[in-house]
Amino acid sequence: EADIYQTPRYLVIGTGKKITLECSQTMGHDKMYWYQQDPGMELHLIHYSYGVNSTEKGDLSSESTVSRIRTEHFPLTLESARPSHTSQYLCASSESRGYNEWQFFGPGTRLTVL
Amino acid sequence: GENVEQHPSTLSVQEGDSAVIKCTYSDSASNYFPWYKQELGKRPQLIIDIRSNVGEKKDQRIAVTLNKTAKHFSLHITETQPEDSAVYFCAATPSGGFKTIFGAGTRLFVKA
Repeated sequence: EADIYQTPRYLVIGTGKKITLECSQTMGHDKMYWYQQDPGMELHLIHYSYGVNSTEKGDLSSESTVSRIRTEHFPLTLESARPSHTSQYLCASSESRGYNEWQFFGPGTRLTVL
Repeated sequence: GENVEQHPSTLSVQEGDSAVIKCTYSDSASNYFPWYKQELGKRPQLIIDIRSNVGEKKDQRIAVTLNKTAKHFSLHITETQPEDSAVYFCAATPSGGFKTIFGAGTRLFVKA
């Protein structure tokens, strides 16, 4: 089934750990995004990609990095997690086809850094 | 930079009443305006969208209007039901789909 998947769904880790949040989509979309969102609050764009080997930083300053080696895969890495990184991380994808470029969101990863 | 302002931040209505959420965008190149609904603990999902060459679009109890001159667009929900309770986000996308800008969200409560 065409969808966008995120793992893990929940993660509790200690300060200073390196973590990678996984995001994969099976819809063949060329554009992918990472957002940080506290529950029910504003969506903050932290990274986006227009295609393979293309990545850009978003509006929210972030200590994370991303890579886009394959169309379907867009992992987010935190080199050294801090309590301020505690939040929900949403991955999304969209297709460039005419005007109607709506974003399809993954279920999210809820991260807690102790 | 470009932004989208959304009002109100919180809206409480009685079941059966109408709800209106308003957004204003700054980028005149924006030509696609999706609306997303995010229920508690779930992902945002597209509920309706409108293109810049259309002034109004309706889908059952929800409708969107767009005033390109004023750079305003609105979401209208009629005959609200408790299951309409959620956070609603408006968004604006320029031609080519580069960097959709989201509004800050409106938390809608529908009281039974």
